[in-house]
Formats: sequence, structure tokens, C-alpha cells
Amino acid sequence: NAGVTQTPKFQVLKTGQSMTLQCAQDMNHEYMSWYRQDPGMGLRLIHYSVGAGITDQGEVPNGYNVSRSTTEDFPLRLLSAAPSQTSVYFCASSDRGLSYEQYFGPGTRLTVT
Amino acid sequence: RKEVEQDPGPFNVPEGATVAFNCTYSNSASQSFFWYRQDCRKEPKLLMSVYSSGNEDGRFTAQLNRASQYISLLIRDSKLSDSATYLCVVDPFNAGKSTFGDGTTLTVKP
Repeated sequence: NAGVTQTPKFQVLKTGQSMTLQCAQDMNHEYMSWYRQDPGMGLRLIHYSVGAGITDQGEVPNGYNVSRSTTEDFPLRLLSAAPSQTSVYFCASSDRGLSYEQYFGPGTRLTVT
Repeated sequence: RKEVEQDPGPFNVPEGATVAFNCTYSNSASQSFFWYRQDCRKEPKLLMSVYSSGNEDGRFTAQLNRASQYISLLIRDSKLSDSATYLCVVDPFNAGKSTFGDGTTLTVKP
């Protein structure tokens, strides 16, 4: 099993550009989530999904969209990139819920200039 | 006040030392508690769940103090490989979503 995979590993965007961060898991987990981690800080929940077709907002959802058309994939879309979105983005999955053990992908390091 | 608070450190200890981290949480009704480990520029990985009765895994011991609303992580006989950031994770509102602390950085030196 590959676990949770994320692409790209690194990305540089200009202000105003849009892009999609990809996340996939092969563990058949129902729960998936997106976090961002700024330097010296913990992870903050952006959006999450409790199953295919069901998504909800986390703590910091503004500027991001998600969709969950399959169990395996949970892409995160940046609508119009801003320098404040410079961060490391982690995707995670769980078979029991977001308040149980989560398995994280390797992260995407995004810089917005 | 943050929902989950950790001493950021850094903690610099020699090999073989015992070190303890605390993490306080704001909601007394919280039910889920974890410690994750995050190596530099890597993803977090679960280190231990924290149970009411406390639990131990080799050199690592996790404790929960509900009365004072904190959890702790004790590392005995520190190894160089223990150098990492340790994240406290709590579901503060029993809402099925976890809140991560900002992490405590540990450096173990020879």
C-alpha cells in the first residue's frame, strides 16, 4: 500500500493564480482531511470529508474548495492564490474519524509570491 | 486562550536523559487525546494514544490528568533519534475533529 500520496511536493504560484493539490489514499478510508501548517505552528483544519460526496468546512476554509467524488481522492483547490496561503499542506485519512488516528501524506510546500 | 497549548521549548537534553512534555486543553469534556511525532520537514505520525489509565510503550509513557486538564508525555533514556517535534492532539469539543497543539521541539545531544 502506498498509503496517502500528495502531488505536487513543491509549488510556486503567483498571486491570483489557481491550482489544485492532489491527494489520494489506497486504504479505503472514509474520512479524509486537509490541513495547513505554518512555520512554528500546529496543523489547522481546512476542509474535511466523512465519505464520498460529503464535505464540510474546518477551521480555516476561506480561499479553498474541495470535492470528494470517490473514496480514494480528495483534491484541494486554491481559487485565487494569496501570499497568506504560503504554507505546507497535509492531506490525511482515517478509517474511524478525524478524532482518531490519522495517516498523513508527505505534504505539499506551497509558496505564493 | 488556545484550545490546546504546549510549551514550545526547545528542550535540549543529553542522551540518556528523561524529559517530560505537558499539554493543556481547555474543554473538560474532551475525550480523545494523542501524541504525534513530526520530524523536520516531514508529515506527523502517531506516536501514542493517551488513555485515562495512562499507557506505556517502551521508553514512552503518556498520562492523562482530567482534573487539571492536561496530558503528558515522558521519554526515558533519550536517544538521538528522539529529536523531533511532538504534537499534542485533542478533540476539544467532542465534535469528531481534532485540534493540534503548536508542538514541542526536542533535541537530544550526544
